[in-house]
Amino acid sequence: NAGVTQTPKFRILKIGQSMTLQCTQDMNHNYMYWYRQDPGMGLKLIYYSVGAGITDKGEVPNGYNVSRSTTEDFPLRLELAAPSQTSVYFCATLGERTEEQYFGPGTRLTVT
Amino acid sequence: AQSVTQLGSHVSVSEGALVLLRCNYSSSVPPYLFWYVQYPNQGLQLLLKYTSAATLVKGINGFEAEFKKSETSFHLTKPSAHMSDAAEYFCAVSLYSSASKIIFGSGTRLSIRP
Repeated sequence: NAGVTQTPKFRILKIGQSMTLQCTQDMNHNYMYWYRQDPGMGLKLIYYSVGAGITDKGEVPNGYNVSRSTTEDFPLRLELAAPSQTSVYFCATLGERTEEQYFGPGTRLTVT
Repeated sequence: AQSVTQLGSHVSVSEGALVLLRCNYSSSVPPYLFWYVQYPNQGLQLLLKYTSAATLVKGINGFEAEFKKSETSFHLTKPSAHMSDAAEYFCAVSLYSSASKIIFGSGTRLSIRP
């Protein structure tokens, strides 16, 4: 059981470039989330999904897009990267029976 | 609107000493409350949660937290700190168990002195 996996671990982007952060889970959880964590701050919710085909905006969705074509995958797309998107990005799922969130190891993104 | 405030961005204690990490919340209805721990270069891991059952909640690694409605607090404690407890700790509040409305505090970095 791998849990929640994220790729890549690190990435450096130039301003204006685009990329997709991958998130995959093997726990068959319906709920999935994308957070960003800035230094000295808590986690901010970017987007979340309550099941395949259903996504919704969180607290800070601007500059990002998501899709959820399968239960397992929840990619996060950055279009036209900006320095303000420099952050650590975490994907998470929710065990609906346990009410516990399970986090991936994170992707550290730098935009210069 | 719900919110959570963690008092102290950095707490340092000696090994073997009491650990106390403070968390106050604001919520218009009874909340769900969580403490998460983040070790360096890792994701967050659930320590414990309060979901309106017992007010004293025991978690992993010897941590516990007490829900005090009158003080709107959910402080995290451990009687005796261990070097392996050094990490970042996050308090979080949610009005719903779906976690789609979880709000995280800004975190408290716990350092342990030998």
